[in-house]
Amino acid sequence: QQQVKQSPQSLIVQKGGISIINCAYENTAFDYFPWYQQFPGKGPALLIAIRPDVSEKKEGRFTISFNKSAKQFSLHIMDSQPGDSATYFCAASTGSARQLTFGSGTQLTVLP
Amino acid sequence: KAGVTQTPRYLIKTRGQQVTLSCSPISGHRSVSWYQQTPGQGLQFLFEYFSETQRNKGNFPGRFSGRQFSNSRSEMNVSTLELGDSALYLCASGLQGTNEKLFFGSGTQLSVL
Repeated sequence: QQQVKQSPQSLIVQKGGISIINCAYENTAFDYFPWYQQFPGKGPALLIAIRPDVSEKKEGRFTISFNKSAKQFSLHIMDSQPGDSATYFCAASTGSARQLTFGSGTQLTVLP
Repeated sequence: KAGVTQTPRYLIKTRGQQVTLSCSPISGHRSVSWYQQTPGQGLQFLFEYFSETQRNKGNFPGRFSGRQFSNSRSEMNVSTLELGDSALYLCASGLQGTNEKLFFGSGTQLSVL
């Protein structure tokens, strides 16, 4: 019940295209859903996060879509750029647990 | 403002040895969490400290331990190292002791030979 399932494992997108990464969860107690971006040799960096009381959150080119009934959420990267090439992790947590449960990661490659 | 600092950056140990990793959180942050990252298991939660108290622990054997000092700096220790302990160990700090806005360091890459 603590798992967060992420897909696809890898994604190749042309520059200017839309990158979409999906995650699904089982634990309905999760109340915080962040996305992290990780470059080689670096730790994950928080990109954007959402709580289940809203269905969408947008920050610049990054948008989270959240479907509470389906227990799914996704990251959309608009106008993808080669500099976006990185590994993306979805995660989920409950406030009381104070720990993040991460998805398995998606390696995004944006071709120039 | 300086970010989360982890030392050392790389570490090579042999089976059976023990190791101590260090983490200095962002100034003013009182919460420190540790995560293990491996290609096979991904990112897994080890433990979380707030104001020198361990508040949560992940599903790892007792060989993995940690502590937090009064200045919020944290250390984690792994005793009796096994080959499977080879991983990137990440420290994350937070301001309020919740999971929101965790800032990760670049990690310590531990190789066990």
